[in-house]
Amino acid sequence: DTEVTQTPKHLVMGMTNKKSLKCEQHMGHRAMYWYKQKAKKPPELMFVYSYEKLSINESVPSRFSPECPNSSLLNLHLHALQPEDSALYLCASSLHWAGSLAKNIQYFGAGTRLSVL
Amino acid sequence: AQTVTQSQPEMSVQEAETVTLSCTYDTSENNYYLFWYKQPPSRQMILVIRQEAYKQQNATENRFSVNFQKAAKSFSLKISDSQLGDTAMYFCAFIPTQGGSEKLVFGKGTKLTVNP
Repeated sequence: DTEVTQTPKHLVMGMTNKKSLKCEQHMGHRAMYWYKQKAKKPPELMFVYSYEKLSINESVPSRFSPECPNSSLLNLHLHALQPEDSALYLCASSLHWAGSLAKNIQYFGAGTRLSVL
Repeated sequence: AQTVTQSQPEMSVQEAETVTLSCTYDTSENNYYLFWYKQPPSRQMILVIRQEAYKQQNATENRFSVNFQKAAKSFSLKISDSQLGDTAMYFCAFIPTQGGSEKLVFGKGTKLTVNP
């Protein structure tokens, strides 16, 4: 089972709204990732959590706030977004941050299509 | 800096034929993974095939196989007996397995269309 589940599939929000994206995996993976993807472009890394601790923040604006409540769950809290933040947001997970040779094989969810009006 | 280059922005192939997507990369690392991910219009990024750099044997997954040339830093994907469901964006990606940056480095992608 290599399933990463993201909800919601689609989200429309105004610039003053607060919303959250959710990502869940039950593969025992200890690294989880948020990516932003614009149309016809590769994914861009936003955040990495390793063992529930934030290990990488790619200079993402503070209107995006990640949270990792436990090893299976990753949230992305959104507040005061701009229209240019409209994109596909992908979550991924991988086995370990260090150790196993398979540690860096990332499995992706189906994404949340976000539109900011 | 590590880079991945996919020189074919778009390709098309007739159903049942074979197509090869090219990918080159640049790194000073000796140990790393290479991947091909497929992203159909349904948008899920699906891992198609992976290759460990220390393995000389080319990886194969059913109709998908790679031609890994480590010295040339080339990692092409061959799709045999193309099917309509193979229509998708294909991303080549690289990640080191030890130390350094643990970030996936993606190419810009190749849009593949399989025609009936």
